Amino acid sequence: AAGVIQSPRHLIKEKRETATLKCYPIPRHDTVYWYQQGPGQDPQFLISFYEKMQSDKGSIPDRFSAQQFSDYHSELNMSSLELGDSALYFCASSSLWGAANTGELFFGEGSRLTVL
Amino acid sequence: KQEVTQIPAALSVPEGENLVLNCSFTDSAIYNLQWFRQDPGKGLTSLLLIQSSQREQTSGRLNASLDKSSGRSTLYIAASQPGDSATYLCAVRPKNYGQNFVFGPGTRLSVLP
Repeated sequence: AAGVIQSPRHLIKEKRETATLKCYPIPRHDTVYWYQQGPGQDPQFLISFYEKMQSDKGSIPDRFSAQQFSDYHSELNMSSLELGDSALYFCASSSLWGAANTGELFFGEGSRLTVL
Repeated sequence: KQEVTQIPAALSVPEGENLVLNCSFTDSAIYNLQWFRQDPGKGLTSLLLIQSSQREQTSGRLNASLDKSSGRSTLYIAASQPGDSATYLCAVRPKNYGQNFVFGPGTRLSVLP
């Protein structure tokens, strides 16, 4: 079965640079989430999209932005990178609404960002 | 605000033991609760999903229960194996706080051969 696909898997950037992470959700899932996980921490919610519209916003810095495109893939753009942005970034997708939808959350393998 | 806690934070057991991981949440208005497994540096793998109308779910050696009124869920692992060593996280999807899932801090499990 198709899973959530994230790219790149690893990314190394310098301070003040820009990074873009991509996510391809499971087909026919209507909701995409982005999470940030620092070392030894639980995933922290950044932002979500329902049917390509931003649906919820968490602790996402103003330097970060995200969008979901017509083909349902999503991108997380991070600018003016700081050392503290080094983390694992996860994309997850779910099918929340509708009689046949369970609302189960599926995660990608994550993108590891290292800021030097 | 929905908050999720997990006890214990870490657990080390010999192979073959049955064990219980606990998850508590503060607001019982949830759509569902989900248990995940995470290996170091890897993504989260869904183990069990319990809808708010259900009391338990089973998958192989895993059994998860949900007591929504008391804000508790337990994950029971039977006959633990070294391959079960990982961090186990629970997450709830609250009804009153947008569409976000709220995660607990996880229980780090080590099963010794």
